[in-house]
Amino acid sequence: QQQVKQSPQSLIVQKGGISIINCAYENTAFDYFPWYQQFPGKGPALLIAIRPDVSEKKEGRFTISFNKSAKQFSLHIMDSQPGDSATYFCAASRARSRDDKIIFGKGTRLHILP
Amino acid sequence: KAGVTQTPRYLIKTRGQQVTLSCSPISGHRSVSWYQQTPGQGLQFLFEYFSETQRNKGNFPGRFSGRQFSNSRSEMNVSTLELGDSALYLCASSRVPTSGGPQAYEQYFGPGTRLTVT
Repeated sequence: QQQVKQSPQSLIVQKGGISIINCAYENTAFDYFPWYQQFPGKGPALLIAIRPDVSEKKEGRFTISFNKSAKQFSLHIMDSQPGDSATYFCAASRARSRDDKIIFGKGTRLHILP
Repeated sequence: KAGVTQTPRYLIKTRGQQVTLSCSPISGHRSVSWYQQTPGQGLQFLFEYFSETQRNKGNFPGRFSGRQFSNSRSEMNVSTLELGDSALYLCASSRVPTSGGPQAYEQYFGPGTRLTVT
Protein backbone atom coordinates (compact mmCIF):
# COMPACT_ATOMS: atom_id res chain seq x y z
CA GLN A 1 0.00 0.00 0.00
CA GLN A 2 2.96 2.26 0.51
CA GLN A 3 4.51 1.68 -2.91
CA VAL A 4 4.86 4.10 -5.75
CA LYS A 5 5.43 2.31 -9.05
CA GLN A 6 7.27 4.28 -11.72
CA SER A 7 7.67 3.46 -15.40
CA PRO A 8 9.55 3.22 -17.63
CA GLN A 9 12.92 2.52 -16.05
CA SER A 10 14.67 4.23 -18.92
CA LEU A 11 13.53 6.40 -21.79
CA ILE A 12 15.16 7.73 -24.93
CA VAL A 13 13.53 10.67 -26.68
CA GLN A 14 14.55 12.74 -29.67
CA LYS A 15 15.30 16.40 -29.10
CA GLY A 16 12.09 18.38 -29.41
CA GLY A 17 9.91 15.40 -28.57
CA ILE A 18 7.66 14.79 -25.57
CA SER A 19 8.98 12.74 -22.67
CA ILE A 20 6.34 10.98 -20.57
CA ILE A 21 7.00 9.26 -17.26
CA ASN A 22 4.23 7.51 -15.35
CA CYS A 23 3.65 6.71 -11.70
CA ALA A 24 0.97 4.77 -9.89
CA TYR A 25 0.21 4.64 -6.20
CA GLU A 26 -2.01 2.54 -3.96
CA ASN A 27 -2.53 4.53 -0.79
CA THR A 28 -5.50 6.83 -1.33
CA ALA A 29 -4.41 8.86 1.68
CA PHE A 30 -1.49 10.32 -0.26
CA ASP A 31 -2.16 13.98 -0.97
CA TYR A 32 1.10 15.42 -2.24
CA PHE A 33 2.90 14.23 -5.37
CA PRO A 34 6.26 15.82 -6.21
CA TRP A 35 8.69 15.08 -9.01
CA TYR A 36 12.44 15.32 -8.56
CA GLN A 37 15.20 15.66 -11.14
CA GLN A 38 18.66 14.28 -10.44
CA PHE A 39 21.80 14.87 -12.47
CA PRO A 40 24.86 12.63 -12.06
CA GLY A 41 26.87 13.59 -9.00
CA LYS A 42 24.09 15.79 -7.63
CA GLY A 43 21.28 15.34 -5.18
CA PRO A 44 17.66 15.31 -6.39
CA ALA A 45 16.07 18.70 -6.95
CA LEU A 46 12.36 19.41 -6.62
CA LEU A 47 11.00 20.00 -10.12
CA ILE A 48 7.25 20.34 -9.77
CA ALA A 49 4.56 19.08 -7.39
CA ILE A 50 0.80 18.61 -7.43
CA ARG A 51 -2.00 18.05 -4.94
CA PRO A 52 -5.03 15.90 -5.84
CA ASP A 53 -7.47 18.79 -5.93
CA VAL A 54 -6.23 19.68 -9.43
CA SER A 55 -5.86 17.46 -12.49
CA GLU A 56 -2.96 19.26 -14.09
CA LYS A 57 -0.14 21.63 -13.19
CA LYS A 58 2.19 23.24 -15.65
CA GLU A 59 5.51 24.97 -15.06
CA GLY A 60 7.30 25.93 -18.24
CA ARG A 61 7.91 22.82 -20.30
CA PHE A 62 7.03 20.51 -17.41
CA THR A 63 3.47 19.35 -16.76
CA ILE A 64 2.05 16.98 -14.17
CA SER A 65 -1.18 15.21 -15.07
CA PHE A 66 -3.07 13.66 -12.17
CA ASN A 67 -5.83 11.03 -12.37
CA LYS A 68 -7.24 10.55 -8.90
CA SER A 69 -9.69 7.78 -9.81
CA ALA A 70 -6.96 5.72 -11.50
CA LYS A 71 -4.43 6.61 -8.78
CA GLN A 72 -1.93 7.61 -11.41
CA PHE A 73 0.09 10.70 -12.19
CA SER A 74 2.55 11.48 -14.90
CA LEU A 75 5.24 13.96 -15.86
CA HIS A 76 5.29 15.36 -19.37
CA ILE A 77 8.34 17.22 -20.65
CA MET A 78 7.49 19.17 -23.78
CA ASP A 79 10.11 20.11 -26.38
CA SER A 80 12.63 17.86 -24.62
CA GLN A 81 16.22 19.12 -24.67
CA PRO A 82 19.56 17.36 -24.16
CA GLY A 83 19.90 19.29 -20.89
CA ASP A 84 16.84 17.45 -19.61
CA SER A 85 18.81 14.20 -19.64
CA ALA A 86 18.70 13.11 -16.01
CA THR A 87 17.03 10.66 -13.66
CA TYR A 88 13.51 11.59 -12.63
CA PHE A 89 11.79 10.40 -9.49
CA CYS A 90 8.14 10.63 -8.63
CA ALA A 91 7.09 10.58 -5.00
CA ALA A 92 4.02 10.56 -2.82
CA SER A 93 3.24 11.52 0.72
CA ARG A 94 0.57 12.57 3.14
CA ALA A 95 1.53 16.21 3.53
CA ARG A 96 -0.72 16.74 6.50
CA SER A 97 0.46 13.67 8.37
CA ARG A 98 3.20 13.90 10.95
CA ASP A 99 3.94 10.21 10.91
CA ASP A 100 4.15 9.41 7.22
CA LYS A 101 7.29 9.59 5.17
CA ILE A 102 7.72 10.48 1.54
CA ILE A 103 7.79 7.41 -0.72
CA PHE A 104 9.83 7.58 -3.91
CA GLY A 105 9.45 5.71 -7.17
CA LYS A 106 12.49 3.78 -8.42
CA GLY A 107 13.38 6.44 -10.96
CA THR A 108 13.44 6.86 -14.74
CA ARG A 109 16.68 7.50 -16.55
CA LEU A 110 15.86 9.90 -19.38
CA HIS A 111 18.20 10.46 -22.32
CA ILE A 112 17.43 13.10 -24.90
CA LEU A 113 19.13 12.52 -28.26
CA PRO A 114 20.66 15.71 -29.76
CA LYS B 1 22.54 31.48 -0.35
CA ALA B 2 24.63 28.36 0.23
CA GLY B 3 22.98 25.01 -0.43
CA VAL B 4 23.02 21.86 1.64
CA THR B 5 26.55 20.62 2.18
CA GLN B 6 27.58 17.10 3.00
CA THR B 7 30.95 15.81 4.10
CA PRO B 8 32.80 13.81 3.17
CA ARG B 9 31.75 13.37 -0.47
CA TYR B 10 33.39 9.97 -0.79
CA LEU B 11 34.26 7.35 1.76
CA ILE B 12 35.68 3.84 1.64
CA LYS B 13 35.30 1.63 4.68
CA THR B 14 35.69 -2.06 5.45
CA ARG B 15 33.08 -4.39 6.88
CA GLY B 16 32.63 -4.09 10.61
CA GLN B 17 33.83 -0.51 10.82
CA GLN B 18 31.61 2.42 11.67
CA VAL B 19 31.16 5.68 9.83
CA THR B 20 29.84 9.16 10.57
CA LEU B 21 28.47 11.42 7.85
CA SER B 22 27.79 15.11 8.28
CA CYS B 23 25.18 17.43 6.83
CA SER B 24 24.89 21.21 7.09
CA PRO B 25 21.43 22.46 6.08
CA ILE B 26 20.60 25.67 4.31
CA SER B 27 20.78 28.62 6.68
CA GLY B 28 17.44 29.00 8.44
CA HIS B 29 16.34 25.44 7.75
CA ARG B 30 15.64 23.47 10.88
CA SER B 31 14.54 20.14 9.45
CA VAL B 32 17.05 17.61 8.17
CA SER B 33 16.16 14.29 6.58
CA TRP B 34 18.48 11.48 5.56
CA TYR B 35 18.02 9.07 2.65
CA GLN B 36 19.84 6.07 1.30
CA GLN B 37 20.01 5.76 -2.49
CA THR B 38 20.95 2.50 -4.20
CA PRO B 39 20.39 1.30 -7.78
CA GLY B 40 18.23 -1.58 -6.59
CA GLN B 41 16.10 0.05 -3.90
CA GLY B 42 16.08 3.65 -5.09
CA LEU B 43 15.63 6.41 -2.54
CA GLN B 44 14.74 5.20 0.92
CA PHE B 45 13.96 7.39 3.90
CA LEU B 46 16.19 6.88 6.92
CA PHE B 47 15.09 9.50 9.46
CA GLU B 48 14.17 13.12 9.98
CA TYR B 49 15.30 15.53 12.66
CA PHE B 50 13.75 18.82 13.67
CA SER B 51 14.91 20.98 16.55
CA GLU B 52 17.32 18.27 17.69
CA THR B 53 14.54 15.67 17.94
CA GLN B 54 13.95 12.70 15.71
CA ARG B 55 10.48 13.16 14.24
CA ASN B 56 10.26 10.20 11.95
CA LYS B 57 12.16 7.03 11.15
CA GLY B 58 12.28 4.66 8.20
CA ASN B 59 12.60 0.89 8.20
CA PHE B 60 16.30 0.54 8.79
CA PRO B 61 18.10 -1.48 11.48
CA GLY B 62 19.33 0.11 14.66
CA ARG B 63 22.86 0.24 13.23
CA PHE B 64 21.72 3.42 11.52
CA SER B 65 21.41 6.36 13.87
CA GLY B 66 21.49 10.10 13.70
CA ARG B 67 21.44 13.26 15.68
CA GLN B 68 20.96 16.96 15.19
CA PHE B 69 22.76 19.78 16.89
CA SER B 70 21.46 23.12 18.12
CA ASN B 71 22.74 24.84 14.95
CA SER B 72 20.62 22.35 12.89
CA ARG B 73 23.66 20.52 11.54
CA SER B 74 23.10 16.79 11.52
CA GLU B 75 25.16 13.66 11.58
CA MET B 76 24.28 10.10 10.79
CA ASN B 77 26.21 7.11 12.01
CA VAL B 78 26.32 3.57 10.70
CA SER B 79 27.91 0.99 12.96
CA THR B 80 29.17 -2.47 12.08
CA LEU B 81 29.18 -1.75 8.37
CA GLU B 82 27.96 -4.40 5.94
CA LEU B 83 28.62 -4.69 2.21
CA GLY B 84 24.97 -3.86 1.57
CA ASP B 85 25.42 -0.46 3.20
CA SER B 86 27.32 0.73 0.13
CA ALA B 87 25.17 3.54 -1.20
CA LEU B 88 24.80 7.23 -1.79
CA TYR B 89 23.61 8.86 1.43
CA LEU B 90 21.63 12.02 0.85
CA CYS B 91 20.68 14.71 3.27
CA ALA B 92 17.81 17.11 2.63
CA SER B 93 16.83 20.21 4.54
CA SER B 94 13.62 22.20 4.75
CA ARG B 95 12.39 25.18 6.72
CA VAL B 96 9.65 23.25 8.42
CA PRO B 97 9.22 19.57 9.26
CA THR B 98 8.58 17.61 6.10
CA SER B 99 5.34 16.15 7.36
CA GLY B 100 2.53 18.60 7.89
CA GLY B 101 2.01 22.19 6.82
CA PRO B 102 1.69 23.96 3.47
CA GLN B 103 5.39 23.76 2.70
CA ALA B 104 5.67 20.08 3.45
CA TYR B 105 8.24 18.29 1.38
CA GLU B 106 9.86 21.35 -0.17
CA GLN B 107 13.15 19.74 0.53
CA TYR B 108 16.53 20.73 -0.79
CA PHE B 109 18.99 17.90 -1.20
CA GLY B 110 22.74 17.96 -0.78
CA PRO B 111 25.09 16.25 -3.26
CA GLY B 112 25.37 13.16 -1.07
CA THR B 113 28.15 11.06 0.41
CA ARG B 114 29.16 8.05 -1.62
CA LEU B 115 29.96 5.26 0.84
CA THR B 116 31.70 2.12 -0.38
CA VAL B 117 32.05 -0.81 1.99
CA THR B 118 34.65 -3.43 1.07
